[in-house]
Amino acid sequence: SQQGEEDPQALSIQEGENATMNCSYKTSINNLQWYRQNSGRGLVHLILIRSNEREKHSGRLRVTLDTSKKSSSLLITASRAADTASYFCVYSGAGSYQLTFGKGTKLSVIP
Amino acid sequence: DVKVTQSSRYLVKRTGEKVFLECVQDMDHENMFWYRQDPGLGLRLIYFSYDVKMKEKGDIPEGYSVSREKKERFSLILESASTNQTSMYLCASSRGQGFVAGVSDEQYFGPGTRLTVT
Repeated sequence: SQQGEEDPQALSIQEGENATMNCSYKTSINNLQWYRQNSGRGLVHLILIRSNEREKHSGRLRVTLDTSKKSSSLLITASRAADTASYFCVYSGAGSYQLTFGKGTKLSVIP
Repeated sequence: DVKVTQSSRYLVKRTGEKVFLECVQDMDHENMFWYRQDPGLGLRLIYFSYDVKMKEKGDIPEGYSVSREKKERFSLILESASTNQTSMYLCASSRGQGFVAGVSDEQYFGPGTRLTVT
């Protein structure tokens, strides 16, 4: 399988600012998911967007999906120090059972 | 809440030893997964199981085997540990039945086992 790419690899912002992370992938997909990983809570699912959806919201999270460009973005609004973590986009290719994880974006939110 | 537990948080083994990593989930999930996570490489799927006694190879199955004798338990076995298997190992489970439906679902992860092979 081919890994997706997240951009940027690292991001540092002030508390209250918005954070945007991007993900590009190389295959047709069933869906795309975003996960967060920090030392306290391990790897946790945030949101899933299906290939026929373009945008999805969950609390302070907004995810967009552009299948023509094979890209997705995760926006975290009004960031908090507790949002400090690594964020991964994860997708399963159409017709494939495997999940592919990107390498992650490391977000630091400075109080 | 779904709970996925792994038998050890930290493990140190010698080269050539047989290593067992155990994972248990309490939500009657059909699917279970083993990943390893390495800096700069992200998470890579080692093996996947969609039912008792059923398994499929992931991206990097070489040097590993798995066992799923009961629905709630999925074991990863390193037959002869090597230093390049030093890594963080993560187990996950998901709902759903059938191949594609199961893997595409949200996955619930255990806390991980940091294995060091010396």
